[in-house]
Amino acid sequence: EVQLLESGGGLVQPGGSLRLSCAASGFTFSNYAMNWVRQAPGKGLEWVSVIGGGGGSTYYGDSVRGRFSISRDNFKNTLYLRMNSLGAEDTAIYYCAKNQAGPLSGLDLWGQGTVVTVSS
Amino acid sequence: EIVMTQSPATLSVSPGEGATLSCRASQSVSSNLAWYQQKPGQAPRLLIYGASTRASGIPIRFSGSGSGTEFSLTISSLQSEDFAVYYCQQYNNWPPLHTFGQGTKLEIK
Repeated sequence: EVQLLESGGGLVQPGGSLRLSCAASGFTFSNYAMNWVRQAPGKGLEWVSVIGGGGGSTYYGDSVRGRFSISRDNFKNTLYLRMNSLGAEDTAIYYCAKNQAGPLSGLDLWGQGTVVTVSS
Repeated sequence: EIVMTQSPATLSVSPGEGATLSCRASQSVSSNLAWYQQKPGQAPRLLIYGASTRASGIPIRFSGSGSGTEFSLTISSLQSEDFAVYYCQQYNNWPPLHTFGQGTKLEIK
């Protein structure tokens, strides 16, 4: 079955760190760029980051650049998001999403999301 | 940074009627635009890519049009399962700093 399954969310204190994972199955993972997209409670979608299929190219949204780091392990078919210096504004559902092809394409497969709550 | 603006914020339509949602880009994105549907408690789903191509499994009552800075998503003969929030997203520029519109909520009238 073609699917993405996120994990690693939870409650973290302000200033803390967290690593999210996204396990992919049912497709050739290394052939596709992958993204993280988040959604704060009651708000719209915010694109966070993208990584190329080989892992050598990474890009970030302005609100997370310098604090978050995207990576992937193509042997384990897993996408990661390392989040540092977390603040209340980072509280959201975090979705991983697959590009149709390279980074300049639509997002045709989404995980169910993992919830990150930043609070003391 | 390209800003995507959707209108209206909320659209009230009766089942069986049609609906048209709009999305405007602050600068040209060519045809590199996608539409997504999100229902409560669910992840978004890709409906349209390349401004007008339906994604796999998407009913023909969904159609997209436009290029450059003006885009629209039209849903003909609304079904109960179509009431949801719809987002546009551009993926034109390099580096690929994708941006979403703020969403349009399509609600039952």
